[in-house]
Amino acid sequence: NAGVTQTPKFQVLKTGQSMTLQCAQDMNHNSMYWYRQDPGMGLRLIYYSASEGTTDKGEVPNGYNVSRLNKREFSLRLESAAPSQTSVYFCASSEKWVAGPGELFFGEGSRLTVL
Amino acid sequence: KQEVTQIPAALSVPEGENLVLNCSFTDSAIYNLQWFRQDPGKGLTSLLLIQSSQREQTSGRLNASLDKSSGRSTLYIAASQPGDSATYLCAVPSGSARQLTFGSGTQLTVLP
Repeated sequence: NAGVTQTPKFQVLKTGQSMTLQCAQDMNHNSMYWYRQDPGMGLRLIYYSASEGTTDKGEVPNGYNVSRLNKREFSLRLESAAPSQTSVYFCASSEKWVAGPGELFFGEGSRLTVL
Repeated sequence: KQEVTQIPAALSVPEGENLVLNCSFTDSAIYNLQWFRQDPGKGLTSLLLIQSSQREQTSGRLNASLDKSSGRSTLYIAASQPGDSATYLCAVPSGSARQLTFGSGTQLTVLP
């Protein structure tokens, strides 16, 4: 069972470069999320997609864009990377949205360093 | 704004000991609470999800309780093993229920 798959696992960027983090889930889940995890800040929601065709901002959306490509895939794009975006990024999914996220299933993370 | 606190931040116990991890939240109007485990360099693994209508949820050696009125949840680990060493996080929906708020976690070390 693959669950939630993220690519790439590691990436080093220079300031101003762009990149896209890819996420795919094979559990037929309706909702998908992007979080970042930083020491001392915990996990913070960047964007989420409650269902296919919808996306919404989370707590820290500035500097990011997302695309819900289809039910399986949810990508996160950094248009002009900044050192403050150095972090570990996690994609997650949940079966359905019932007055909020249900049980979350996470990917292994993508470790991004911006120089 | 929902705030989630986990105490202690770190805990070290000998193998075989029973232990309790604590999670407190400020907004008691939640509809569920979730406990996760995170191993170093890995993603989060869901351990238990407690609905607001439940008081307890059990999975193997793990038991989670929820007391909404006091804004508290506990994760009880029975007969701890070195393989239980990890960071344990709890998460609750925010007041708007549009996102989860995570605690900063308790880093557990079980010594052989």
